[in-house]
Amino acid sequence: ETGVTQTPRHLVMGMTNKKSLKCEQHLGHNAMYWYKQSAKKPLELMFVYNFKEQTENNSVPSRFSPECPNSSHLFLHLHTLQPEDSALYLCASSQDLRDTQYFGPGTRLTVL
Amino acid sequence: DQQVKQNSPSLSVQEGRISILNCDYTNSMFDYFLWYKKYPAEGPTFLISISSIKDKNEDGRFTVFLNKSAKHLSLHIVPSQPGDSAVYFCAAKPASGGYQKVTFGIGTKLQVIP
Repeated sequence: ETGVTQTPRHLVMGMTNKKSLKCEQHLGHNAMYWYKQSAKKPLELMFVYNFKEQTENNSVPSRFSPECPNSSHLFLHLHTLQPEDSALYLCASSQDLRDTQYFGPGTRLTVL
Repeated sequence: DQQVKQNSPSLSVQEGRISILNCDYTNSMFDYFLWYKKYPAEGPTFLISISSIKDKNEDGRFTVFLNKSAKHLSLHIVPSQPGDSAVYFCAAKPASGGYQKVTFGIGTKLQVIP
């Protein structure tokens, strides 16, 4: 695998479910990001991790819980989501916090 | 309030002609600008960038122009090819300091007609 990979690519969940999104980067980068892209809206930054430490939480509701066990892996744990949370969730990584970000293919999430 | 604006949601261009995608920004602290391209079912891929110390950056068929006084940048693709059909995102960030949050536009969907 090369670049940034995300699994699953598609996810449908009910409001009471608990699920997790996974991101893995094979680029040797130190920073990782979660973004949300809703229809007809710009990409919205959610979380930033640098060397496994969270450096940014962009006022994201607590029903989204990130986890970064090492510089190559990033998770987004989901619980009791709302239908308005349905969106494309994109993971990205960069060499450092100032460098260009490289994106994964995204997870298309639908909350019923 | 959108700090990076792409006012044209879509654009159609004939193959071989020039595609011009426009972007305006409001935050005067932005001084590094990027264009990303996104195909369906894929993540955005970095295309080209420009620092505010320049007014033009060229990479093959892609050229980005920056007009700081007008807070406007544009991406020119010439000649346009059908494989260029994608959504193009303009993005901007301040260049100083540690982490610089990247602010994205809403995207412009380009269709290149064979």
